[in-house]
Amino acid sequence: EVPLVESGGGLVQPGGSLRLSCVASGFTLSSYWMHWVRQAPGKGLVWVSRIYSDGSSTAYADSVKGRFTISRDNTKNTLYLQMNSLRAEDTAVYYCATDRGYGMDVWGQGTTVTVSS
Amino acid sequence: QTVVTQEPSFSVSPGGTVTLTCGLSSGSVSTNYNPSWYQQTPGQAPRTLIYSTNTRSSGVPDRFSGSILGNKAALTITGAQADDESDYYCVLYMGSGIWVFGGGTKLTVL
Repeated sequence: EVPLVESGGGLVQPGGSLRLSCVASGFTLSSYWMHWVRQAPGKGLVWVSRIYSDGSSTAYADSVKGRFTISRDNTKNTLYLQMNSLRAEDTAVYYCATDRGYGMDVWGQGTTVTVSS
Repeated sequence: QTVVTQEPSFSVSPGGTVTLTCGLSSGSVSTNYNPSWYQQTPGQAPRTLIYSTNTRSSGVPDRFSGSILGNKAALTITGAQADDESDYYCVLYMGSGIWVFGGGTKLTVL
């Protein structure tokens, strides 16, 4: 059983929006802080955002601040990333990951976002 | 803006030992930066190797170890094996909820 499964990726035009989801299986998401990390084709990992276990605090990379919103619904065991005003440079595989208080721990398999006209 | 630096590439012979490092463009890495290390093979999700500087993640063999060496975080692989050939990334906590990854090191075992 894969503990974290991302979905919601796809092809979107520049300026468009997408909402990514990350569903946890076999454990309770509410116990963990959560991160989104992305990886552009052929490039390295880039941290995107983090949210506390109760959603009370969020943090964003400068490159996405004001355009992306991280949120969670612990009743649905689900993490979200709302992405607005998408740009070509947002094209990447997006991973969600748990955090027990010291950084990214368990990773999902990723969902691919392509921003292109 | 602070940049996290890693060697772009490294090679090691099978059975050999290699140390990869993770530094800052300005300043020294300490345990306060909570360095973590990840292994990634092409097309796969990252795998957590080390967190909190030197704690191995569950299931990670003790051939992998983390430390602070001088002014950098370090990942040492002893007894390198063919399937250690991967990309390795470090990440540092910058405070205020912000994390920054290094550019990654491509490790070749030959």
